[in-house]
Amino acid sequence: GNSVTQMEGPVTLSEEAFLTINCTYTATGYPSLFWYVQYPGEGLQLLLKATKADDKGSNKGFEATYRKETTSFHLEKGSVQVSDSAVYFCAHTGNTPLVFGKGTRLSVIA
Amino acid sequence: SAVISQKPSRDICQRGTSLTIQCQVDSQVTMMFWYRQQPGQSLTLIATANQGSEATYESGFVIDKFPISRPNLTFSTLTVSNMSPEDSSIYLCSVVPRLNTEAFFGQGTRLTVV
Repeated sequence: GNSVTQMEGPVTLSEEAFLTINCTYTATGYPSLFWYVQYPGEGLQLLLKATKADDKGSNKGFEATYRKETTSFHLEKGSVQVSDSAVYFCAHTGNTPLVFGKGTRLSVIA
Repeated sequence: SAVISQKPSRDICQRGTSLTIQCQVDSQVTMMFWYRQQPGQSLTLIATANQGSEATYESGFVIDKFPISRPNLTFSTLTVSNMSPEDSSIYLCSVVPRLNTEAFFGQGTRLTVV
């Protein structure tokens, strides 16, 4: 079936540290892949997306590459900031509506 | 893209009462969805709101508890009925303007039932 598995949090990093949040998916066909971010007290916002294999989505210093061979879409950022503290959700279009992972809470400390 | 205005943003309600949450979209969209997000948890789909027909509910959610209206392609409401403290959650509306594309979300309604 359709599913998304992302690393469990919480993840706590110091400012300027490197971030990786792993995401793997199961889907039929070739879904589009997304990362959403939810800041405290807010709804979900699209952070980045990739629509086909080997595409790299990027936004606000975050990147993720659509890896069809490993069915993965890991989120990375080279230097996190305190303002990046939020919950991050991986998702894909294997179904309508989207299939979401369980979310990973990131806390960045100064 | 789509911009969604959801209100209220938060409310504190007495048990046994009902709250209606509204979502207004800035464009016509066919597919609209309502989610619940319990504290520290991921999203749980409540129902799909279809214009001109009854909403389609997911397992564990029923129309009597969560009645939904979808009078046109830009507006929907979700009512949380006969509330109990277990209904305390964030409720989110979402639209998918085109099949197999990203979803857009309202700002969420943080509901506390006392």
